[in-house]
Amino acid sequence: DTGVSQNPRHKITKRGQNVTFRCDPISEHNRLYWYRQTLGQGPEFLTYFQNEAQLEKSRLLSDRFSAERPKGSFSTLEIQRTEQGDSAMYLCASSSTDREARETQYFGPGTRLLVL
Amino acid sequence: GDSVTQMEGPVTLSEEAFLTINCTYTATGYPSLFWYVQYPGEGLQLLLKATKADDKGSNKGFEATYRKETTSFHLEKGSVQVSDSAVYFCALSVSTGANSKLTFGKGITLSVRP
Repeated sequence: DTGVSQNPRHKITKRGQNVTFRCDPISEHNRLYWYRQTLGQGPEFLTYFQNEAQLEKSRLLSDRFSAERPKGSFSTLEIQRTEQGDSAMYLCASSSTDREARETQYFGPGTRLLVL
Repeated sequence: GDSVTQMEGPVTLSEEAFLTINCTYTATGYPSLFWYVQYPGEGLQLLLKATKADDKGSNKGFEATYRKETTSFHLEKGSVQVSDSAVYFCALSVSTGANSKLTFGKGITLSVRP
């Protein structure tokens, strides 16, 4: 068990460009979450997958954001036509569906995005 | 909607001092409560949790008790160490169907000086 990994760790892009982030959850976890954290704030929920199904999306997730988990393993989060307001830390977390463990989410190190 | 309120920070303490970080919540259902910690340069780590009223979560000398009557989950430690310097987040989760998304407070930075 190597934990949740995220790539890249840092991304600098120009306004209007598209970016894609990847999250690899803990292998036996079938629940996967994306959060966004801005400076001085706690993480905010963006979207949730159970296996390959995207079951909930926050109103924070505008039409420029799309997330996928095609085989129920890794997930990608794409932001199209980036804006300066998208600058934030993007966090991925995973959890088990085991009744005792499902409420415990394990977080990756995050991808820090800076839009110039 | 669900929300978590943490006391304003930052907090600076001397080593071996007593620590209390306040956390209160509002929730539409019956939440589980968590404290997460973020050490410098690292990701969020679960510190402790409690899933029902009067439960006490504990880990690494930290404790927090789920108080339903006061909707609180204050974090305490009897004697802090320099290595406890980090950002601490209180969070709740109310399972709606299969989704157990977390709602976080703003976090508080703790600095412990030798």
